[in-house]
Amino acid sequence: EAGVAQSPRYKIIEKRQSVAFWCNPISGHATLYWYQQILGQGPKLLIQFQNNGVVDDSQLPKDRFSAERLKGVDSTLKIQPAKLEDSAVYLCASSLEPRANTIYFGEGSWLTVV
Amino acid sequence: AQSVAQPEDQVNVAEGNPLTVKCTYSVSGNPYLFWYVQYPNRGLQFLLKYITGDNLVKGSYGFEAEFNKSQTSFHLKKPSALVSDSALYFCAVRDYNFNKFYFGSGTKLNVKP
Repeated sequence: EAGVAQSPRYKIIEKRQSVAFWCNPISGHATLYWYQQILGQGPKLLIQFQNNGVVDDSQLPKDRFSAERLKGVDSTLKIQPAKLEDSAVYLCASSLEPRANTIYFGEGSWLTVV
Repeated sequence: AQSVAQPEDQVNVAEGNPLTVKCTYSVSGNPYLFWYVQYPNRGLQFLLKYITGDNLVKGSYGFEAEFNKSQTSFHLKKPSALVSDSALYFCAVRDYNFNKFYFGSGTKLNVKP
């Protein structure tokens, strides 16, 4: 079974530029999550989708971050304009349904803002 | 409020010795508890979980965890550590009512040959 796919793996941008990350969840997984992991910290949920609807985006900095999952499968997370403090790993994860016991993570997209 | 605490930033152990990585939690209702491992430049990999039943849960790569309700703990253990176990370990608790995962800050495990 294929896992959660993410791209790009690594990205370096200058502050005030924009960046987009793509995620394809495990086939059949209705719930998709984007987490931000800053070095030395645990993952922090940015946004959670159920199919193509948003379940929780309370910690998403909406002035600069946006995410969509238009067809209920793959998803894109965008940052515009980027700040230095956005340097982090952006982890996509998926689960079968909202109350599934386990969520599965992709390899992550590593962002450095200089 | 739901939360997870990993009191040790780093744990050092010699290869072949037993290891313990500590986790305590706070959650209303029944806890659903998880351990994940993160190797350098990789995503988080699921190790094991406690939902209900036996307090001793067995997982991947020879790891196990013991759920202790009275101490609100869910410590990760392995009888004999390997150098390849060196990684970052995260404890997580799921709030069933709101379906949110709360992650600890992580513990770096160093296994020396």
